[in-house]
Amino acid sequence: AQSVTQPDIHITVSEGASLELRCNYSYGATPYLFWYVQSPGQGLQLLLKYFSGDTLVQGIKGFEAEFKRSQSSFNLRKPSVHWSDAAEYFCAVGARGSQGNLIFGKGTKLSVKP
Amino acid sequence: DVKVTQSSRYLVKRTGEKVFLECVQDMDHENMFWYRQDPGLGLRLIYFSYDVKMKEKGDIPEGYSVSREKKERFSLILESASTNQTSMYLCASSLSGVFGDEQFFGPGTRLTVL
Repeated sequence: AQSVTQPDIHITVSEGASLELRCNYSYGATPYLFWYVQSPGQGLQLLLKYFSGDTLVQGIKGFEAEFKRSQSSFNLRKPSVHWSDAAEYFCAVGARGSQGNLIFGKGTKLSVKP
Repeated sequence: DVKVTQSSRYLVKRTGEKVFLECVQDMDHENMFWYRQDPGLGLRLIYFSYDVKMKEKGDIPEGYSVSREKKERFSLILESASTNQTSMYLCASSLSGVFGDEQFFGPGTRLTVL
């Protein structure tokens, strides 16, 4: 069965520091991968997605993610964090034959120190 | 822009009441989803629908039912609300896709059952 693991429940970084959020997935073939962000009290917004091709994907708000097949990972990065990036981040994987279903990780909450 | 709207942002109901949560999308998407979100548990799929009048159980369908009479509208029904159904409910929609397409989320309904 497909699964997604986000090992870090909560991360705190200083404003201006770099950020990396980890995501590992379990899937037999090449998955479709997504990162979403959720601000407090809001729905989820797509940051970026990987379907095929270049393994380094650029997204909105200065985020990028790299697909590493050998490590079954799809880590999210940002070179310089802004206070407005404080939110919860979810990694998700799309599975073959799932009728559009996505499997979500449990999320990583990001706090930003001034 | 795709827009997914949910009928209420906040809802307070009493135990035993029948509760309707409505979701409408305006982009002619085939797939629609209902999730509940609880701290530490991430998003859990309740039901999804890949066509009008079609529905499939997700991971936690007990205590819930759904209705999709029109393509743009997907309703979640709590037949007899209980306190353990107090949660954030998120609706999403996506184009039909075999490998899991991007899901677009509504703002969520925070339901409290007293």
